Amino acid sequence: DVKVTQSSRYLVKRTGEKVFLECVQDMDHENMFWYRQDPGLGLRLIYFSYDVKMKEKGDIPEGYSVSREKKERFSLILESASTNQTSMYLCASSGGTSADTQYFGPGTRLTVL
Amino acid sequence: GQSLEQPSEVTAVEGAIVQINCTYQTSGFYGLSWYQQHDGGAPTFLSYNGLDGLEETGRFSSFLSRSDSYGYLLLQELQMKDSASYFCAVRAPSGGYNKLIFGAGTRLAVHP
Repeated sequence: DVKVTQSSRYLVKRTGEKVFLECVQDMDHENMFWYRQDPGLGLRLIYFSYDVKMKEKGDIPEGYSVSREKKERFSLILESASTNQTSMYLCASSGGTSADTQYFGPGTRLTVL
Repeated sequence: GQSLEQPSEVTAVEGAIVQINCTYQTSGFYGLSWYQQHDGGAPTFLSYNGLDGLEETGRFSSFLSRSDSYGYLLLQELQMKDSASYFCAVRAPSGGYNKLIFGAGTRLAVHP
């Protein structure tokens, strides 16, 4: 079974702090994704990566950056957290050249005070 | 713009059949996927339609009509454990790659 793990299940940070969310997958997948999920808005793509050291902006990249130094690990960085970044953050991975059949991690619920 | 429309909530009883519709408007289209998410859980893949027609996987079926920009998820012999949110997602091109665009989700409540 594909396993996608995220570093924290719950996280509370203060406005202005730098926040790192880590995601690791164990299936040698090329593609990794970061989403945020908010009630009534579904899942919105923040950034994605199709290879090591490669990144592409998703639909809502503002205020975020990412890092992919190793194939199995994809990090989401909030340079200066703000209250409107309070959300559920979901990481996903998929194999091959397809964005289909994404496997999701359990999510990190981030609260910014 | 790109948008997917699906009902926000659906209620049904155990043993019944329920259909969750999804209409989409996207710049480019490769296929329609469905994901299930239980409260507090991660989304899990259910089905994918790349071509028109019906795909069946056990109690769940998914349908696509590309000419109508429309699809649906059909759940039969509903069980209490089917209570969850269901998301449709369009696979669409994005700068030489492709990505999934998700709908807002349909919350299904199954009652005894």
